[in-house]
Amino acid sequence: AQSVTQLGSHVSVSEGALVLLRCNYSSSVPPYLFWYVQYPNQGLQLLLKYTTGATLVKGINGFEAEFKKSETSFHLTKPSAHMSDAAEYFCAVIVQGGKLIFGQGTELSVKP
Amino acid sequence: KAGVTQTPRYLIKTRGQQVTLSCSPISGHRSVSWYQQTPGQGLQFLFEYFSETQRNKGNFPGRFSGRQFSNSRSEMNVSTLELGDSALYLCASTRSETSPTDTQYFGPGTRLTVL
Repeated sequence: AQSVTQLGSHVSVSEGALVLLRCNYSSSVPPYLFWYVQYPNQGLQLLLKYTTGATLVKGINGFEAEFKKSETSFHLTKPSAHMSDAAEYFCAVIVQGGKLIFGQGTELSVKP
Repeated sequence: KAGVTQTPRYLIKTRGQQVTLSCSPISGHRSVSWYQQTPGQGLQFLFEYFSETQRNKGNFPGRFSGRQFSNSRSEMNVSTLELGDSALYLCASTRSETSPTDTQYFGPGTRLTVL
């Protein structure tokens, strides 16, 4: 069965520092992977997705993620954190029928 | 273009009651999925509808049901509410039969509290 695991339920960085949120997947077939962000009292917003092709995927708000098959990883990065990046981030894999399987989420805090 | 809308945004019910939540997808989107979000279980898939047909169902008891109308609007119903049903219920829509390349656009959710 396909699944994703997010390492670290809470990550704290200083403003301007590198953001690294970790996601590992388990899949017997080539996975389609997503990162979503959720701000307080809001729904989920797609940051980026990997389907096929280029393994380095660029998303909105300066985020990017790299698909590494050898490491079964799809970590999310941003070179310089901004206060507005504080939110909860979810890694997800899509399975047959369009069902999204989410990781447990990582809450990102940004200190001034 | 308007996004996915969900009504109501907040709801308080008591145990044993039933509740109906509504989701209006983005105009032109025909597929609607529902997810439950709780602090303990995280985000879990409930079901997916396309062209008024349920195509996929998650591992939830039969108290959870849904339907989709000809205009693609969807409702989900929870009967005989339990305290554990307190959650944020999210609806997502996609343009067509959900494929890996189609983005699921999420609504703001309905916060259900069961007392």
